[in-house]
Amino acid sequence: IAGITQAPTSQILAAGRRMTLRCTQDMRHNAMYWYRQDLGLGLRLIHYSNTAGTTGKGEVPDGYSVSRANTDDFPLTLASAVPSQTSVYFCASSEGMGNQPQHFGDGTRLSIL
Amino acid sequence: GQNIDQPTEMTATEGAIVQINCTYQTSGFNGLFWYQQHAGEAPTFLSYNVLDGLEEKGRFSSFLSRSKGYSYLLLKELQMKDSASYLCAVSDSNYQLIWGAGTKLIIKP
Repeated sequence: IAGITQAPTSQILAAGRRMTLRCTQDMRHNAMYWYRQDLGLGLRLIHYSNTAGTTGKGEVPDGYSVSRANTDDFPLTLASAVPSQTSVYFCASSEGMGNQPQHFGDGTRLSIL
Repeated sequence: GQNIDQPTEMTATEGAIVQINCTYQTSGFNGLFWYQQHAGEAPTFLSYNVLDGLEEKGRFSSFLSRSKGYSYLLLKELQMKDSASYLCAVSDSNYQLIWGAGTKLIIKP
């Protein structure tokens, strides 16, 4: 079934550790996104990529980095995790940015202790 | 700043109609989206409006007034499975989505 796969599903991590959240899509979408979702807040964009080889910063990029080496993969890295990064992380993709519906992965629930 | 406002929670009865409102103030406007999100799951796309007026899709309809910075999602013939959060999102001048915090809809039998 075509879609977006995120891994891991959930993770508990010690503060200060490095962590990479994986995201793979098989829809050949050009645009990909990483969001975090916290209780009482809307989804907040961390980083995005318009197409393979390009990335951009969203609303809350500090402490996170991304890469887009190919169309399918868009990993998100926390270089040194802090407790405020405890959240649910969603990866999404769309054919293009702006007017195209975004399709979401099932999310990664990350707890930083 | 950019802002999307929607009610935090609403309650409705199975079989009834409910309207979920969304008001927005954004830097630019390139369309408004509605998504449904069941608890513990990913958001799924419901509708997209870029021109004023009503878009109907089965039991769900979405309305947009750009001059008023206002949209609503109308759900008819409510079913228990419609219990979920409904997220309003606006595509801004940079084609990035600005999201509301979501409206939790509780359906009672």
